[in-house]
Amino acid sequence: EVHLVESGGGLVQPGGSLRLSCAASGFTFSSYWMHWVRQAPGKGLVWVSRIDDDGSSITYADSVKGRFTISRDNAKNTVYLQMNNLRAEDTAVYYCARRSGYTDYDLGYWGQGTLVTVST
Amino acid sequence: QSALTQPASVSGSPGQSITISCTGTSSDVGGYNYVSWYQQHPGKAPKLMIYDVSNRPSGISNRFSASKSGSTASLTISGLQAEDEADYYCTSYTSSSSWVFGGGTKLTVL
Repeated sequence: EVHLVESGGGLVQPGGSLRLSCAASGFTFSSYWMHWVRQAPGKGLVWVSRIDDDGSSITYADSVKGRFTISRDNAKNTVYLQMNNLRAEDTAVYYCARRSGYTDYDLGYWGQGTLVTVST
Repeated sequence: QSALTQPASVSGSPGQSITISCTGTSSDVGGYNYVSWYQQHPGKAPKLMIYDVSNRPSGISNRFSASKSGSTASLTISGLQAEDEADYYCTSYTSSSSWVFGGGTKLTVL
């Protein structure tokens, strides 16, 4: 069974940094692209970033480009999101997600999310 | 990377059908057959309902169907049930090798 568990969220001051982790199990991690998606309180889903199976291809949403870095460690079955220069508008639940297996372009499996709060 | 456009809310009575639209551009919805739809209940992670415009994953009721015409995708739920009340999001792959979500639609079952 596919299992994704995010961790690393918490309270951070504006301008600060945080690293999120997503531990994967139940599938061959090194064969799948991984995504981060966020959702501000009471708001909609926003795609953040994607990393391909070996980390050679990475894309970001414009809103986080230059501040966030996605990476993965296939030996540890973990994907990361390093978030720097955090702003109040980055406050959100951050989900990691994986495609379903039917196609490369959906998000079929999701973690439970980890909350990041950027505030003084 | 502008969000895809969805109606903020739709409603219907049990047994009725509703349709949620999702409008993008030729750089996303109109350019690729990679539209997917998600259902999200309060406090829960999203759930994949439709992939690649019109395909249902295993276990998803055939009351859920979807299509695309030009740069607008649509999700139809027939035979509305109380448990269908949730937020629904569309997403599309884009020409920038990124993904973009719609703003979400709150479905109320009256």
